Amino acid sequence: SQQGEEDPQALSIQEGENATMNCSYKTSINNLQWYRQNSGRGLVHLILIRSNEREKHSGRLRVTLDTSKKSSSLLITASRAADTASYFCATDADQGAQKLVFGQGTRLTINP
Amino acid sequence: DVKVTQSSRYLVKRTGEKVFLECVQDMDHENMFWYRQDPGLGLRLIYFSYDVKMKEKGDIPEGYSVSREKKERFSLILESASTNQTSMYLCASSPPGATYEQYFGPGTRLTVT
Repeated sequence: SQQGEEDPQALSIQEGENATMNCSYKTSINNLQWYRQNSGRGLVHLILIRSNEREKHSGRLRVTLDTSKKSSSLLITASRAADTASYFCATDADQGAQKLVFGQGTRLTINP
Repeated sequence: DVKVTQSSRYLVKRTGEKVFLECVQDMDHENMFWYRQDPGLGLRLIYFSYDVKMKEKGDIPEGYSVSREKKERFSLILESASTNQTSMYLCASSPPGATYEQYFGPGTRLTVT
C-alpha cells in the first residue's frame, strides 16, 4: 500500500543551490522519516520528525511537517555533488505498527 | 556503528531454482525486514519479523518465505525463482516500534534468467 508520495520524481539543480522535496501521505502518523539512497546502495536514515513537531534541523537539512495537510518537505541547503542521490520519505503505516511505508522517492542530481 | 550485512551484492539464478538471501545484523535489534525495490515502485515490504521465529506478511509476500531462527539473522527464501522476482532486495533492522529508524544493508541485486 502506498502511503507516502514524493514530489517531484526527479530534480536537477546546480551545486550551491537549495533543493526542496515534498512528501504527501494519506493517514494519521506518529512520525515521518527521510532516508537517502546512493545509487545501487542501501538506504541511510537522515532525520525523523514526530507528529507533534513542525520543523526539525540537522546540519544542512531542514524538515517540516504539516499534519493538517498531511505533507512534509525536505530542504537541503547549499547543495554539493555528494548530495546526488534518491530521497525517500517513510511513515509508520498505522498507529502502533512496527513497520514503515516508503514513498517512491525523488531522484536528486547536483550538477557541478 | 550498526551494521547490517547481506550475503551477496549480486546474484544470478535460473528460473525454478531455490534462492536464499541472508541478512545479519549486529545490534541485537528485535525487528528485521525484507523489502524489494523496483524502478517506479519504490520499496515494498515482503516480510518482517519482530522476534525470533515470529514473522508477518508485508505487502507482497507471494512467492517468498522467511526464516528467523536466531535474533541476528533473517533469511528470505524464493522457493522457485521466477523472472518477475528479478529485483534489488534490501534487508533492514530496527529496535521495536516504528518510532525508531531502520538500518539498511547494502542490498542484493538478484537476476533470475
